[in-house]
Amino acid sequence: DQQVKQNSPSLSVQEGRISILNCDYTNSMFDYFLWYKKYPAEGPTFLISISSIKDKNEDGRFTVFLNKSAKHLSLHIVPSQPGDSAVYFCAARRGSGGYQKVTFGTGTKLQVIP
Amino acid sequence: GAVVSQHPSWVICKSGTSVKIECRSLDFQATTMFWYRQFPKQSLMLMATSNEGSKATYEQGVEKDKFLINHASLTLSTLTVTSAHPEDSSFYICSAPRRPTSGRTYNEQFFGPGTRLTVL
Repeated sequence: DQQVKQNSPSLSVQEGRISILNCDYTNSMFDYFLWYKKYPAEGPTFLISISSIKDKNEDGRFTVFLNKSAKHLSLHIVPSQPGDSAVYFCAARRGSGGYQKVTFGTGTKLQVIP
Repeated sequence: GAVVSQHPSWVICKSGTSVKIECRSLDFQATTMFWYRQFPKQSLMLMATSNEGSKATYEQGVEKDKFLINHASLTLSTLTVTSAHPEDSSFYICSAPRRPTSGRTYNEQFFGPGTRLTVL
């Protein structure tokens, strides 16, 4: 049962334009949602998170939107840069500290074309 | 930011041998560490939660006798794949949560760079 889904395995965007990565989830118990960036042969790097009680969080070029009624979140990158090319994982968390469990989506490979 | 290291970064072994993977938190103490496994084109799957000074908690379907976890100190957790078989070939990643720094409420998980295991 895939509780966190990223339906687009890949996305290509022109440099300077907006990249929108989407994620859907099924479990209402998740309390935090996160986006990670991953390069090949490296571990994921935390990008941005959003609490389930908010609908938007912004950090520089990255904005995450959460629509709880639709169980959907999205990551917007504006403007996109070639260095943003990587695999982006959506993740959702239940619990906290040592009792937290993070469930990952399958990832979306973003390619930003110069 | 916080750094989590893993060793080795890649390993090739023969079927039936055991392989130990180390995960270290370099600039913070971690009473808990997490072990994930990622198969090609799939998401990271949580295997187990490693607890310092106590037994690890395994996710459903993960054999605890096959994947031995030891968390002997606040900065080191080890995963030993015992009697490895080709189907155990995967990318193993550990992570450790750190307490929130000022301005954050989320205790962020920091991931190691991963270990690529290939069992022949």
